[in-house]
Amino acid sequence: NAGVTQTPKFQVLKTGQSMTLQCAQDMNHNSMYWYRQDPGMGLRLIYYSASEGTTDKGEVPNGYNVSRLNKREFSLRLESAAPSQTSVYFCATTRFSGTGGETQYFGPGTRLLVL
Amino acid sequence: AQSVTQLDSHVSVSEGTPVLLRCNYSSSYSPSLFWYVQHPNKGLQLLLKYTSAATLVKGINGFEAEFKKSETSFHLTKPSAHMSDAAEYFCVVSDRNRGSTLGRLYFGRGTQLTVWP
Repeated sequence: NAGVTQTPKFQVLKTGQSMTLQCAQDMNHNSMYWYRQDPGMGLRLIYYSASEGTTDKGEVPNGYNVSRLNKREFSLRLESAAPSQTSVYFCATTRFSGTGGETQYFGPGTRLLVL
Repeated sequence: AQSVTQLDSHVSVSEGTPVLLRCNYSSSYSPSLFWYVQHPNKGLQLLLKYTSAATLVKGINGFEAEFKKSETSFHLTKPSAHMSDAAEYFCVVSDRNRGSTLGRLYFGRGTQLTVWP
């Protein structure tokens, strides 16, 4: 049981290059999320998926696209990377309990540097 | 709309003295609130969470937080700081409405805790 996994761990891109960040969870959760973390900003939501086949924009979606390939996988794509997208990216999923509580599970993060 | 304000970007304490990290929230619903800790170059670790049960929530490593609806606050405290507590702390609110299965998180900007020997 690996929880939430992300690949790659580190990536360096040149401006204009494209790449896809991969995220997978083995907990059978419906909702998945992509956040970015920048110094002094906390984490901000880029995109989310409430269930397989659905995706929605979060706070900072510009420059990104996502795909919810199946229940397990939720990928984030940068079509034309810009230096402003240098950040640490976290994927997450949520478990909801019968008592109304919720617990989030975060991946280890992907550090992206765009030159 | 949901939002979180962490009132201090940096807090410094001496080892063995109390820690207070302040957080105010805004939420349209009865909120779920969380505190996370992040050590340098590490991922996020959940310290504690409030989901409408007891207003005083105990977490890991001796931390606790009190939910005060009248003050819209969820301050994090620890009676005695340890060197290993030095890290960045995030207060977080979920926008999940009861019965929904979608909970987006809204993070505060973080409080950097420094612990002096």
